[in-house]
Amino acid sequence: DAKTTQPTSMDCAEGRAANLPCNHSTISGNEYVYWYRQIHSQGPQYIIHGLKNNETNEMASLIITEDRKSSTLILPHATLRDTAVYYCIVRVANTGANSKLTFGKGITLSVRP
Amino acid sequence: KAGVTQTPRYLIKTRGQQVTLSCSPISGHRSVSWYQQTPGQGLQFLFEYFSETQRNKGNFPGRFSGRQFSNSRSEMNVSTLELGDSALYLCASSRTSGAYEQFFGPGTRLTVL
Repeated sequence: DAKTTQPTSMDCAEGRAANLPCNHSTISGNEYVYWYRQIHSQGPQYIIHGLKNNETNEMASLIITEDRKSSTLILPHATLRDTAVYYCIVRVANTGANSKLTFGKGITLSVRP
Repeated sequence: KAGVTQTPRYLIKTRGQQVTLSCSPISGHRSVSWYQQTPGQGLQFLFEYFSETQRNKGNFPGRFSGRQFSNSRSEMNVSTLELGDSALYLCASSRTSGAYEQFFGPGTRLTVL
């Protein structure tokens, strides 16, 4: 699986958008970009994934650059409960692939009141 | 529907002992993966079971083993415990191996004295 690079930490004000960047310059054509987050002392939680088109769900938006070498997770209106470690992961996902997720160090998002 | 459950939630053992942890996946999910999380190494993949067969294995010594039952419940076993085995052990379930979304349980906190 391709490796990802994320800043160590960032903060944002409550109610503002949080834009979390991720670099994955060695991503392969059949690898998806995934985002998970881990709130303190809980198991990781799936947020969103995408291949090349931008994606949006009830939690966040995922913007992937045209060359697919980087992406940005956007939390449109951050709340204090969004304070967590956010992991950007790339992996193949299709029937026949395995479920292994390779977690890096992630980025710690602190939302301030 | 019920999420992934792990038992016990907390466990204290001494060096040399063995331990068995249990994971019950979401109903209908047939893939269960295990991860170890420590402050130093972060989240590391242990192994995945799908339809009672080990599908993939991480880089851990043979003291770490697992199995999956016909109802998809999974257990992992660590023999001859070492101090360095103290960690949060997480399991994740998904409908199939390689599925897009995985659901993590709350984890078992193992302390080895």
